[in-house]
Amino acid sequence: AQKVTQAQTEISVVEKEDVTLDCVYETRDTTYYLFWYKQPPSGELVFLIRRNSFDEQNEISGRYSWNFQKSTSSFNFTITASQVVDSAVYFCALSEGSNYQLIWGAGTKLIIKP
Amino acid sequence: GAVVSQHPSRVICKSGTSVKIECRSLDFQATTMFWYRQFPKQSLMLMATSNEGSKATYEQGVEKDKFLINHASLTLSTLTVTSAHPEDSSFYICSVCRTNYGYTFGSGTRLTVV
Repeated sequence: AQKVTQAQTEISVVEKEDVTLDCVYETRDTTYYLFWYKQPPSGELVFLIRRNSFDEQNEISGRYSWNFQKSTSSFNFTITASQVVDSAVYFCALSEGSNYQLIWGAGTKLIIKP
Repeated sequence: GAVVSQHPSRVICKSGTSVKIECRSLDFQATTMFWYRQFPKQSLMLMATSNEGSKATYEQGVEKDKFLINHASLTLSTLTVTSAHPEDSSFYICSVCRTNYGYTFGSGTRLTVV
């Protein structure tokens, strides 16, 4: 069965610290997509990244980076030099093959203190 | 990705009344749209998949007569919460999936039933 686990319910760090949000997934499909979304207090979901199962290259976008490891079924997200504006709930999600449905993790609330 | 407009962003209604939420795909003809519900501090829960020109597919446990979905055109899906009660108070989000682009979400509707 497919599943996404975000074990960290809440993380609190001081501004400028680096922080990593964990995501572990389960799927039987060989073709799947992994996503990260940011949900600030306003509620709107902000797309951060999509990664397909055949592309294990790590990605960096500014202060954001993602580490995809199929061997451990993980797709972790790191924010470098965190800022107060990074405070939000972050969701990891999975979709399988041609199935349009998203399987969501429980989310990690990230608090960046000034 | 697609541009999705959701309206209203916030609504307060009296118990027993019905509320309609609109989701528009502004630049993409969406044969399929998704409706989610999110309780405070929880993840998104898929309620139903809205199919243009046919009946929506509801997830297990979601009352079809309670949450009426109409997808009459390729750019508009509506969710009507009928005879709303305080327990229906929640954050409702629609989504469109576009092949090769991924998912785009509406800004959400915060429903409060008093």
